[in-house]
Amino acid sequence: DAGVIQSPRHEVTEMGQEVTLRCKPISGHNSLFWYRQTMMRGLELLIYFNNNVPIDDSGMPEDRFSAKMPNASFSTLKIQPSEPRDSAVYFCASSFSSSNQPQHFGDGTRLSIL
Amino acid sequence: GQQVMQIPQYQHVQEGEDFTTYCNSSTTLSNIQWYKQRPGGHPVFLIQLVKSGEVKKQKRLTFQFGEAKKNSSLHITATQTTDVGTYFCAKGTGTASKLTFGTGTRLQVTL
Repeated sequence: DAGVIQSPRHEVTEMGQEVTLRCKPISGHNSLFWYRQTMMRGLELLIYFNNNVPIDDSGMPEDRFSAKMPNASFSTLKIQPSEPRDSAVYFCASSFSSSNQPQHFGDGTRLSIL
Repeated sequence: GQQVMQIPQYQHVQEGEDFTTYCNSSTTLSNIQWYKQRPGGHPVFLIQLVKSGEVKKQKRLTFQFGEAKKNSSLHITATQTTDVGTYFCAKGTGTASKLTFGTGTRLQVTL
């Protein structure tokens, strides 16, 4: 069975550029989560969706970050314009939407903003 | 949101020694999940604890949920080099699928 699929695996770009990260959740899962992981701040929840609807975006750092889920099998996280402090590993995870469900993580996108 | 604290932040053991990481919350937890992240990898679900005082075992790993449901622990008996990684606890809300991850404990095992 396919797990959560993220692309790209690595992205290196210059500050000011737009960055788009992509995620395909596990089929049948109706919750999708975007996390950011850094040494300083650990694993932070940025936003999560239930049934394609954003439920909690309180972790989104600022207006430069936006996330969409146009359908049950695809989500994007966009940073525009990007800054060096956005450099991190970004994980997407999915799960069933009821409580007490384990989350399944993708391999992550390692983002470097120069 | 309220962070879940884990101690220690880092531990270095020799292969064969035991290891324990603790997860503490100032509020009562509805449930606690544990994840392992290998270096360069992604978090992988290990187990979930729901009941007060619950103890679950997976081979050399023992997971406990405190009686007051405010803390949890993961104990590894006789560590192996394959145990290397960062162990996270994560608290659930009890009503939704959202989790808040702890600060993590990084385990290094040497021969």
